[in-house]
Amino acid sequence: QVQLQESGPGLVKPSETLSLTCTVSGGSISSYYWSWIRQPPGKGLEWIGYIYYSGSTNYNPSLKSRVTISVDTSKNQFSLKLSSVTAADTAVYYCARDNWNDVGENWFDPWGQGTLVTVSS
Amino acid sequence: EIVLTQSPGTLSLSPGERATLSCRASQSVSSSFLAWYQQKPGQAPRLLIYGASSRATGIPDRFSGSGSGTDFTLTISRLEPEDFAVYYCQQYGSSHMYTFGQGTKLEIK
Repeated sequence: QVQLQESGPGLVKPSETLSLTCTVSGGSISSYYWSWIRQPPGKGLEWIGYIYYSGSTNYNPSLKSRVTISVDTSKNQFSLKLSSVTAADTAVYYCARDNWNDVGENWFDPWGQGTLVTVSS
Repeated sequence: EIVLTQSPGTLSLSPGERATLSCRASQSVSSSFLAWYQQKPGQAPRLLIYGASSRATGIPDRFSGSGSGTDFTLTISRLEPEDFAVYYCQQYGSSHMYTFGQGTKLEIK
């Protein structure tokens, strides 16, 4: 079955850019939307944005000015860049697949295991 | 932005009891776009319910979802020890944006 795996630095300095990659295995990245979601320690879930395999994107307005999501279909990967990070960006970052069925229902599944990114000098 | 408010924040019950978790939206949400997830410590969220009432593959039938408009409910008919976790509702709405509720922690009494 499809599996997702996040990768990237676990520590980022304030004001720098956080960069993560999600590798999709067991299936193609094509024909799906793919999202990034984060969870600060001890807190709830926040959707960051999504990308369609063709490259179209949509971002959470609260993060839009700092977020870029891109896709590399040849590598079956999609990536997140979050610029000008602060301690408030410390979180577990998840990648997940957006699913849509024939009747227009929508859900996130599967999810990656998540990766903790700490913003600290 | 549609805000989802989950209640209660914490629910203390015993195995075998019935759990009722609420998710209220700040404006009407299409049932097609309402999902529920379970999250255990150190794990990624797990899809339980999509389309407000459809169980995901492999989810036991003690889990059920209902509701429409602004009020949605996740019910666990008879709690098993492995059901104690945090539960989140999630919606997809206008501006093609997703939001999550703040979560309900289901703990053993």
